[in-house]
Amino acid sequence: GNSVTQMEGPVTLSEEAFLTINCTYTATGYPSLFWYVQYPGEGLQLLLKATKADDKGSNKGFEATYRKETTSFHLEKGSVQVSDSAVYFCALSAPPHNTDKLIFGTGTRLQVFP
Amino acid sequence: KAGVTQTPRYLIKTRGQQVTLSCSPISGHRSVSWYQQTPGQGLQFLFEYFSETQRNKGNFPGRFSGRQFSNSRSEMNVSTLELGDSALYLCASSRGQGARETQYFGPGTRLLVL
Repeated sequence: GNSVTQMEGPVTLSEEAFLTINCTYTATGYPSLFWYVQYPGEGLQLLLKATKADDKGSNKGFEATYRKETTSFHLEKGSVQVSDSAVYFCALSAPPHNTDKLIFGTGTRLQVFP
Repeated sequence: KAGVTQTPRYLIKTRGQQVTLSCSPISGHRSVSWYQQTPGQGLQFLFEYFSETQRNKGNFPGRFSGRQFSNSRSEMNVSTLELGDSALYLCASSRGQGARETQYFGPGTRLLVL
């Protein structure tokens, strides 16, 4: 079946460090891929998405490229801030595309220290 | 534009009781999806409604049910509550035109079953 695998956390970084959170997926057909972020006590916010192979999603300095050949969608940011501390979820939606169902990874907690 | 709202935000119930959670989508959105978030199982899809019809359903027992009204507002009901139903229940809305669309999440309802 369809699934998403994320790297285990927590990821602990100093401010201005480079961030990578790995995400790989298994899906039939051509899924759409998403990164969501969850701040403490809140719901999920879409961070970025990509709907076809080689697309690059970007937002607030975060980037991820849809790599079909490696079935990956790794999240990167060149210089993290304390305010980026949150839990990050990789997710996919797979055909049939007439549904909103999202399949999530387990989430990766990011902690950024000044 | 107002975001997705969920009521109540917090709820405490005892085993065997039933509970109803409410979700108001973003204006103009016709699709509402529900997810359960727990530390052990992560984010799991419950069901999705589009134009008052259930379009997709996750792998949950029949104690979990939902409905959608003509104004797109949705409710989910859990009957005969069990301790394991303690979770954050998240609602998401979208225009419902396919899985490539962005889903917008509410802040969630945190349910504690004693």
